[in-house]
Amino acid sequence: ILNVEQSPQSLHVQEGDSTNFTCSFPSSNFYALHWYRWETAKSPEALFVMTLNGDEKKKGRISATLNTKEGYSYLYIKGSQPEDSATYLCAFENNAGNMLTFGGGTRLMVKP
Amino acid sequence: DTGVSQNPRHKITKRGQNVTFRCDPISEHNRLYWYRQTLGQGPEFLTYFQNEAQLEKSRLLSDRFSAERPKGSFSTLEIQRTEQGDSAMYLCASSFNPGQGRTEAFFGQGTRLTVV
Repeated sequence: ILNVEQSPQSLHVQEGDSTNFTCSFPSSNFYALHWYRWETAKSPEALFVMTLNGDEKKKGRISATLNTKEGYSYLYIKGSQPEDSATYLCAFENNAGNMLTFGGGTRLMVKP
Repeated sequence: DTGVSQNPRHKITKRGQNVTFRCDPISEHNRLYWYRQTLGQGPEFLTYFQNEAQLEKSRLLSDRFSAERPKGSFSTLEIQRTEQGDSAMYLCASSFNPGQGRTEAFFGQGTRLTVV
């Protein structure tokens, strides 16, 4: 059983605060690390797919980094807005490429 | 084609009844996945199809669960003799995997099952 862990489980921040959360995953048999954003009553939406050690990806105010050697990825949100409130999921894809193994998610709540 | 579609969105059933859910993936996607998500947990892998072939099945999937993808298009997930522990959100996702490289998976909105 692959161990993909996310921390913290939940996070409350004020509008305008910057925040970050962590995803840890197995460092062996790595192929890709996916980040998803899941708003209530909607489908999980893909944010990033990261494959290279040291990679950094950015979409608007959200960015992510990847360290495959030590098995972690950080997701950063700069200047959080209430519409950023969602559960952020990371998922590990091994080099067999059969499926995504998800972490438990970080639930972010941004207060106006 | 606006994305992955799942039906029904909600299902309430009595314990012991059979239920079937449907997933219509994005039309050009050759891979289809089923996941289950319970409160406070991330999605757990159940099974996946490459075209019409079911290539992997999780140990979480007991004999009461069966999934099909006839003709490599839509898929159904059936749960027989439902138990209260089956109550969860059942998510379907699809992706296009050309054999080299990977692409992201696109999810449906899920079917929320409540067994009473």
